Amino acid sequence: DSGVTQTPKHLITATGQRVTLRCSPRSGDLSVYWYQQSLDQGLQFLIQYYNGEERAKGNILERFSAQQFPDLHSELNLSSLELGDSALYFCASSVGGDDEQYFGPGTRLTVT
Amino acid sequence: DQQVKQNSPSLSVQEGRISILNCDYTNSMFDYFLWYKKYPAEGPTFLISISSIKDKNEDGRFTVFLNKSAKHLSLHIVPSQPGDSAVYFCAARDPYGGSQGNLIFGKGTKLSVKP
Repeated sequence: DSGVTQTPKHLITATGQRVTLRCSPRSGDLSVYWYQQSLDQGLQFLIQYYNGEERAKGNILERFSAQQFPDLHSELNLSSLELGDSALYFCASSVGGDDEQYFGPGTRLTVT
Repeated sequence: DQQVKQNSPSLSVQEGRISILNCDYTNSMFDYFLWYKKYPAEGPTFLISISSIKDKNEDGRFTVFLNKSAKHLSLHIVPSQPGDSAVYFCAARDPYGGSQGNLIFGKGTKLSVKP
């Protein structure tokens, strides 16, 4: 158990809808990262927050957004969902901005 | 264009033998490399890392070798055990890229260790 929690574990929704994925980092970790893993793909970095502030952006679509709250948990919002958004979404956390990252169990999103 | 490549999607090894997983990268500015292990239905788990100032790092049965001139790293598992069967991801940190300090992952290699 990495100490990073993600909810929900599974999510099935229809195209055009909006969903919110939630992540709680390990106790004491200030950084939260979001990754997407599509079928047969590696982990694609989406976005990083550090102590409430956006720190880095990767391959995140404009339809996606995230935030980190004062209690350091983070939410990833996915809107106008398309079939291609079906993937595993992982959250990771680290103490600072460039330490080892510890991953949550992921949320499997299925868009039908 | 992939900056971190794991060219073997799968590898099968007999229990007790050595497993060698390979990873190539394209950016000479990468300064830190990590290996993660992933079981089905779980998130990736950090395994071992190496700084670009070293060429070897060892932790129990796991050793990572870094060849900077070849932009190549490898993970050796000796002896391999059935519980090592998982997908292994290689990752690199780009300290100067747009995603400063963030990790760039390969697509993974699925290791199967047969009893």
